Amino acid sequence: DIVMTQSPDSLAVSLGERATINCKSSQSVLNSSNNKNYLAWYQQKPGQPPKLLIYWASIRESGVPDRFSGSGSGTDFTLTISTLQAEDVAVYYCQQYYSSPYTFGQGTKLEIK
Amino acid sequence: EVELVESGGGLVQPGGSLRLSCAASGFTFGTYWMHWVRQVPGKGLVWVAHVNTDGSTTTYADPVKGRFTVSRDNAKNTLYLQMNSLRAEDTAMYYCAREMVTFDYWGQGTLVTVSS
Repeated sequence: DIVMTQSPDSLAVSLGERATINCKSSQSVLNSSNNKNYLAWYQQKPGQPPKLLIYWASIRESGVPDRFSGSGSGTDFTLTISTLQAEDVAVYYCQQYYSSPYTFGQGTKLEIK
Repeated sequence: EVELVESGGGLVQPGGSLRLSCAASGFTFGTYWMHWVRQVPGKGLVWVAHVNTDGSTTTYADPVKGRFTVSRDNAKNTLYLQMNSLRAEDTAMYYCAREMVTFDYWGQGTLVTVSS
């Protein structure tokens, strides 16, 4: 199984500042045949299901604000929120869909400082 | 509008069974792979199972293999998860999710509690 490890476990950022969450996979999730990284990011607010933010490591889902961006390749990935808004308080998960079982990181709790 | 609505959760004793349902609407259900993902309250997300478009191919996470069965009825636009031999560690919120590249739509979940 591919193990996904996020850092940090929790993060407090001031409104308007940048938030950065890291995700590392235990093996590459880059498919060399199509040059795509099988990596997604989700946001989960209390009492709600997860919401897809980013797929193919860097493609924003429709309707997701452009302050959210994803980067990285192979085994190391980053989710960046460029200017933190109050509504961004949530737990963020990375997930690999390169191979079954489709594993998630442990989550990063983002709070306002 | 895409909508996924889970039902069938509840309190069950260890060793018991439950069947979860996920009613889909707003899209052509039979053209998408579907998944079940679970989450212990306050904990992380764990993929459980998936089924392909016509139900002929299923895959399971190791902890549920041999106990859970995922199926679908495309005529009824409904996904199922039959859960047998339930254990305390199966207690979780169970979400169904549609696969479009990855899990692009999720239901609100149904809570399963396994306890005596």
